[in-house]
Amino acid sequence: GAVVSQHPSWVICKSGTSVKIECRSLDFQATTMFWYRQFPKQSLMLMATSNEGSKATYEQGVEKDKFLINHASLTLSTLTVTSAHPEDSSFYICSASDGNYGYTFGSGTRLTVV
Amino acid sequence: RKEVEQDPGPFNVPEGATVAFNCTYSNSASQSFFWYRQDCRKEPKLLMSVYSSGNEDGRFTAQLNRASQYISLLIRDSKLSDSATYLCVVSKDGQNFVFGPGTRLSVLP
Repeated sequence: GAVVSQHPSWVICKSGTSVKIECRSLDFQATTMFWYRQFPKQSLMLMATSNEGSKATYEQGVEKDKFLINHASLTLSTLTVTSAHPEDSSFYICSASDGNYGYTFGSGTRLTVV
Repeated sequence: RKEVEQDPGPFNVPEGATVAFNCTYSNSASQSFFWYRQDCRKEPKLLMSVYSSGNEDGRFTAQLNRASQYISLLIRDSKLSDSATYLCVVSKDGQNFVFGPGTRLSVLP
């Protein structure tokens, strides 16, 4: 089946710094990847749709200048949380599809901003 | 009204019990339906897709009622390892997913 690798698994950073999260499709090409955020005891909320070679599409309420998405190749999308604040602490997950196995999620990144 | 709604639970059931979850969705244009399982602090994993005719996979049975806009998941002979949060997922285009809040299940020895 399709494998999506996401790292880091967890990161602690100071307020005001930026954090980059990588999402890779290991054995397939993904023209579209999705980024989600999940706060404790809540469901996954779609943040943005990452399109290879073009700008990401952000959901309402998600600041595109704060959550920078780059999908420079068919196997890699990155999410950069800029000028992180404690309220950005959350579980960030990416997903992608190879068209055959449905949507596979990365293992997620637990971000803690202190 | 939220687009996808679920009873958050928790459902606490003894091993061997049968338990059922329902999920309602508001968008009548929804075309694809899934149940995902999410363990604590892990990513969601696809449990099963839900087809119009209903489908079964071992101890798990999923059904779709388009008229009433709900889907269900039935788990028979619950195991301790079934303890998790079950997420109802709906999509109108097969790409953009809307997740329900999840129903937490605890299977007790």
